[in-house]
Amino acid sequence: KQEVTQIPAALSVPEGENLVLNCSFTDSAIYNLQWFRQDPGKGLTSLLLIQSSQREQTSGRLNASLDKSSGRSTLYIAASQPGDSATYLCAVNASWGKLQFGAGTQVVVTP
Amino acid sequence: NAGVTQTPKFQVLKTGQSMTLQCAQDMNHNSMYWYRQDPGMGLRLIYYSASEGTTDKGEVPNGYNVSRLNKREFSLRLESAAPSQTSVYFCASSEELYSTQYFGPGTRLTVL
Repeated sequence: KQEVTQIPAALSVPEGENLVLNCSFTDSAIYNLQWFRQDPGKGLTSLLLIQSSQREQTSGRLNASLDKSSGRSTLYIAASQPGDSATYLCAVNASWGKLQFGAGTQVVVTP
Repeated sequence: NAGVTQTPKFQVLKTGQSMTLQCAQDMNHNSMYWYRQDPGMGLRLIYYSASEGTTDKGEVPNGYNVSRLNKREFSLRLESAAPSQTSVYFCASSEELYSTQYFGPGTRLTVL
């Protein structure tokens, strides 16, 4: 069974520092991997989707890498801002659109 | 575009009561999903609909039923609510099964 792990569970950084969020998965047979952001009491906002054939995907200050063979993805957020404070979730799509989620990394960016 | 909308936003039920959670999307997506989010358990798929007229079980379907009313709407029904169904429920949609999924704002359900 696919298992998705996100380490660390929580992270606090000063404003301006780059954020590095890790996601690992046990079964490399995936179609794609998606990164989401969730603010307290809100729904999930899609950040990036990276296909299994891609190594990298970028959107503004966000960059996601994927190493399917080693079962790892990393989300980089450049020059963090207090507005980046949220929980970040990764999810792998391995079977018929069924996303398997990690538990998330709670990020606090301090001014 | 409103995206994915869910009603109600909050609901309190007594054990044994029934209710239907409504979800609608205006993005002309083919696929729709229902998830629940619980502390310590993360997000888990309850049911999904790959396209209009089809529904399939996800990871935790027991105690729930779904209806894909048309391309826009996908409802989740609790026939006899139990305290274990206290959770936050999210609806999502995507163009196809392997496309980006877009989530609604959620329904916070408490079963007493």
